[in-house]
Amino acid sequence: QVQLQESGPGLVRPSETLSLTCSVTGYSISSGNYWGWLRQPPGKGLEWIGTIYHGGSASHNPSLKSRLTISLDASKNQFSLRLSSVTAADTAVYYCARVWGAYYPDSWGQGTLVAVSS
Amino acid sequence: QSALTQPPSASGSPGQSVTISCTGTSSDVGGYKYVSWYQQNPGKAPKLMIYEVSKRPSGVPDRFSGSKSGNTASLTVSGLQAEDEADYYCSSYAGSNKVVFGGGTKLTVL
Repeated sequence: QVQLQESGPGLVRPSETLSLTCSVTGYSISSGNYWGWLRQPPGKGLEWIGTIYHGGSASHNPSLKSRLTISLDASKNQFSLRLSSVTAADTAVYYCARVWGAYYPDSWGQGTLVAVSS
Repeated sequence: QSALTQPPSASGSPGQSVTISCTGTSSDVGGYKYVSWYQQNPGKAPKLMIYEVSKRPSGVPDRFSGSKSGNTASLTVSGLQAEDEADYYCSSYAGSNKVVFGGGTKLTVL
């Protein structure tokens, strides 16, 4: 059974870069499928951030595209998120997920809260 | 503003049925068979309840069902139970490896 776990700093200063890593167990990223990041601001709904395929091609939410980098390291069975020039509006619980066929997230990490504050 | 429109709240008494709608466009809900529904309890990650409009993952009770007509998808919970009280989100594939979500519906079991 696939399991995902987010890791990274819980506090990021405004204008800096938010970096998170998702470690995958029970499923080899190299065997295929899509992997994604989503977020949920406190008290608000879910937002898709972006998806990456094991071959390396990525799709991004247009509203974040200019600040966003999603990468994948198959040797470590991990994928990562970098979001630059963060503001308080980027404060959220960030989730990593397997996105089945690129169509829908079917397995989620537990989520990690990232606060943007000085 | 979310790409898909859901009612902010829904409610029903134990044993009753409740339906939550999710309205999009022909570029997402209406254009693909990849509508899914998630249940989220406070402080927890979303849980997949329905995928591909009407399919249930293993372990999801058959009280949960999904359907779609045109640009609107629906989640129906039959035989409401107290444990069904949660937030529910719809999502849809929107082409080019993009996914969109609804704003969420808070289901209250009276």
